[in-house]
Amino acid sequence: EDKVVQSPLSLVVHEGDTVTLNCSYEVTNFRSLLWYKQEKKAPTFLFMLTSSGIEKKSGRLSSILDKKELSSILNITATQTGDSAIYLCAVEGGSGPLGLIFGKGTKLSVKP
Amino acid sequence: EAGVAQSPRYKIIEKRQSVAFWCNPISGHATLYWYQQILGQGPKLLIQFQNNGVVDDSQLPKDRFSAERLKGVDSTLKIQPAKLEDSAVYLCASSLDTRGYNSPLHFGNGTRLTVT
Repeated sequence: EDKVVQSPLSLVVHEGDTVTLNCSYEVTNFRSLLWYKQEKKAPTFLFMLTSSGIEKKSGRLSSILDKKELSSILNITATQTGDSAIYLCAVEGGSGPLGLIFGKGTKLSVKP
Repeated sequence: EAGVAQSPRYKIIEKRQSVAFWCNPISGHATLYWYQQILGQGPKLLIQFQNNGVVDDSQLPKDRFSAERLKGVDSTLKIQPAKLEDSAVYLCASSLDTRGYNSPLHFGNGTRLTVT
C-alpha cells in the first residue's frame, strides 16, 4: 500500500530556531514530492521536487529530495511566529491513476 | 489570478440528511480534485476529474457520495445520506494537467462539514 509518513507529528520551537521536517514515502510510480503549508484554510503550495539532490529554496525555507532514501526534508531557518502551521508532504504517484498521496502533516508551533 | 472558489464555507447537518458542495477551479485548469480532510489527518483524495471525465474515484464511498463536473468547469460533491464520520473539511483543488509536473495543485479554502 502506498504511504507517506511525516515526522515529527508536532513540534514546538522558539522564534529564531531552525527546524527540519521529515517526509518518507513508499509510493509506486513516484513522479514528484510536494510540500504544502496549511494554516487555518487551504494548503498553499511551497515546493515541488522531482530530482534527487537538488535543493529548492524560497526565503527561509528550503527542501531537498533523496530518492535513494525515499525521503525529503523541509528546513525552516530563523523561524517566526508566522511559520506556525501544519506542513503537509504529498507524493504524486501510486498504483492507480495519478494523484497525490498526503502524509498526516507536521504541526509546527513557533513561540515568541 | 483568481483562486479556487468553494462554497459554502461551513455546513452543519444532522445524520441521514443530504448536503452538496460546490467548486469553481482556476480558469483554464483541466484537472479538478475533491479531497476529504479529517481532523488531524492529511487530505485524502475522493475523486479526480480531467475535464468532465472521472480519472480516479477509487476512494469515493459511492453508496453515499457522488460528484459531477458536467461542463468540465464547476463541480459539485454530494453526500446522501450523511454519517457522523463524514464530518471533515472537503477541499477542492485544481491543476493544469494530470501529470502534476510543474503543475502543482491549488486548493480552495474548503467546506467544513459537521454532521450531528
